[in-house]
Amino acid sequence: EAQVTQNPRYLITVTGKKLTVTCSQNMNHEYMSWYRQDPGLGLRQIYYSMNVEVTDKGDVPEGYKVSRKEKRNFPLILESPSPNQTSLYFCASSWTGTAMNTEAFFGQGTRLTVV
Amino acid sequence: GEDVEQSLFLSVREGDSSVINCTYTDSSSTYLYWYKQEPGAGLQLLTYIFSNMDMKQDQRLTVLLNKKDKHLSLRIADTQTGDSAIYFCAALTGSWGKFQFGAGTQVVVTP
Repeated sequence: EAQVTQNPRYLITVTGKKLTVTCSQNMNHEYMSWYRQDPGLGLRQIYYSMNVEVTDKGDVPEGYKVSRKEKRNFPLILESPSPNQTSLYFCASSWTGTAMNTEAFFGQGTRLTVV
Repeated sequence: GEDVEQSLFLSVREGDSSVINCTYTDSSSTYLYWYKQEPGAGLQLLTYIFSNMDMKQDQRLTVLLNKKDKHLSLRIADTQTGDSAIYFCAALTGSWGKFQFGAGTQVVVTP
């Protein structure tokens, strides 16, 4: 079954304590990205990756890091989380290019609370 | 303004038709999508339309695209309580497939 798997689904942490949210896809997609969802703001892209070892900033990258050492995994790292990073996070993957329909597959989301 | 805009809330009675509207700014958008998000879940693709099409129908869903005005709409016929969700409009832009999402429209279906 084609899927994007994020872990954990829920996380409560304290300010400054480093954390990693994992994301894995089984569709051999080149393109992976992280979004945060906040009320009234929709989904805003944090970082994206077009392939292994190729990553770039999205619209709201401050306070986040990513890595893409393997095609299937794209972890999101918060080195020093702050309360304004409390949000619902989604990982997504898709094929690259616009020559064909490029449906984005989403993970189930990670609800992060930073206290 | 935002790249993709949509109204934030829609209330509709069960059995009526719902129409959710969306506008986008990037005229080079190739595909336009509607995603549905149910409470506590991720986003699921509902339907999409290629930019050279005006209309697409898929069972109870009808997508209309006015490329000149950069306006997209989703019509849900015979709306059911299970259609209560947040609906996101998204545009595929750029040569490498970046998605721009709207803020989402909360649809509430009342009996």
